[in-house]
Amino acid sequence: NAGVTQTPKFQVLKTGQSMTLQCAQDMNHNSMYWYRQDPGMGLRLIYYSASEGTTDKGEVPNGYNVSRLNKREFSLRLESAAPSQTSVYFCASSEDVVGDTEAFFGQGTRLTVV
Amino acid sequence: AQSVTQLDSHVSVSEGTPVLLRCNYSSSYSPSLFWYVQHPNKGLQLLLKYTSAATLVKGINGFEAEFKKSETSFHLTKPSAHMSDAAEYFCVVSERYSTLTFGKGTMLLVSP
Repeated sequence: NAGVTQTPKFQVLKTGQSMTLQCAQDMNHNSMYWYRQDPGMGLRLIYYSASEGTTDKGEVPNGYNVSRLNKREFSLRLESAAPSQTSVYFCASSEDVVGDTEAFFGQGTRLTVV
Repeated sequence: AQSVTQLDSHVSVSEGTPVLLRCNYSSSYSPSLFWYVQHPNKGLQLLLKYTSAATLVKGINGFEAEFKKSETSFHLTKPSAHMSDAAEYFCVVSERYSTLTFGKGTMLLVSP
């Protein structure tokens, strides 16, 4: 039972390079999320997809784009990486975007932009 | 708008002593509240959640939390700390049809 799988686990980019973080869930969840975690800041929502075919901005969307490829997969793209995007990125999924459902998290992607 | 404040960035306890991690929330509606735990270099795992049923919520690994509406608090407790409890803990709030809002986290340090 894989749950939420993120790839890659680690990545180093040079400023200005682009990359896509991949996320897949096998729980048949409708909703998927991308968060970034920075020391002392908790997790902040970048983008989310309430259901297949929809995406919405979260708290910190600037510099990112997302694609909900199908019900299972939700990717996060950095078009031109900046040092400020050095962070740990977590993908999560839940049955729906409602207040009382549990979110399941991937293991994270540690991204360094130099 | 919803928000959550974790009152301590770090808490240090000795093994076998009680744990108290404090959390206050702000919400315009009746919220759902969660505690998640993150062990080093791992993803987040749900410890427990409150969703307007019993105000005292029991979770995994002996943790529990009490929802106090009058104090807008949802503190996490455990009677006796274990070395394996050392981790970062996040208090999370959500209103209906809303995404999760995380606190900044409390690092729990457990000494022998």
